[in-house]
Amino acid sequence: KQEVTQIPAALSVPEGENLVLNCSFTDSAIYNLQWFRQDPGKGLTSLLLIQSSQREQTSGRLNASLDKSSGRSTLYIAASQPGDSATYLCAVRSQGAGKSTFGDGTTLTVKP
Amino acid sequence: GAVVSQHPSRVICKSGTSVKIECRSLDFQATTMFWYRQFPKKSLMLMATSNEGSKATYEQGVEKDKFLINHASLTLSTLTVTSAHPEDSSFYICSAPLPGGHGYTFGSGTRLTVV
Repeated sequence: KQEVTQIPAALSVPEGENLVLNCSFTDSAIYNLQWFRQDPGKGLTSLLLIQSSQREQTSGRLNASLDKSSGRSTLYIAASQPGDSATYLCAVRSQGAGKSTFGDGTTLTVKP
Repeated sequence: GAVVSQHPSRVICKSGTSVKIECRSLDFQATTMFWYRQFPKKSLMLMATSNEGSKATYEQGVEKDKFLINHASLTLSTLTVTSAHPEDSSFYICSAPLPGGHGYTFGSGTRLTVV
């Protein structure tokens, strides 16, 4: 059974700082890994999708990496802004499984 | 891009009544739809997987008779919370696989409050 862990559960940083969010998973036989953003009371917004054959994906100030062998993914946010404040979730889709397993998320607060 | 439209976004109902939540795939066909529930400050928990033309597959511990799922067409899946109770109050989100295996797209979620 796949288990996904995100550390830290909460993070507070001053504006402009670079930061890294972590996601670890127990079963390395994955199909893909996806990072999402969720604003309070809102649905999910997909940020980056990394296929199992890829090492990283970039979109604007965001960079996600994947290391299957160690069961880890990181989401790097450069030059953080108050608008980045949200909960960030990673979801791992295991091979042969249609569904994804989600971590509990990291709640990020960027202070002006 | 491929979008899943979820309605309603927010609903308040009385205990004992039923509530239907709809998810429609726009501009693509969704043969599969996933239904998640999210508790406060917790991650999404998969409730069930609906498949067009066949019965839904429920996760362990999810009451089939309480959470009725119907996947009537390639673009519509519905979740009906029957005889709702306050403990059913939660955030419900649907999700569909994107064509080509490019991850998932999610509905905007439904905040259900049972009073």
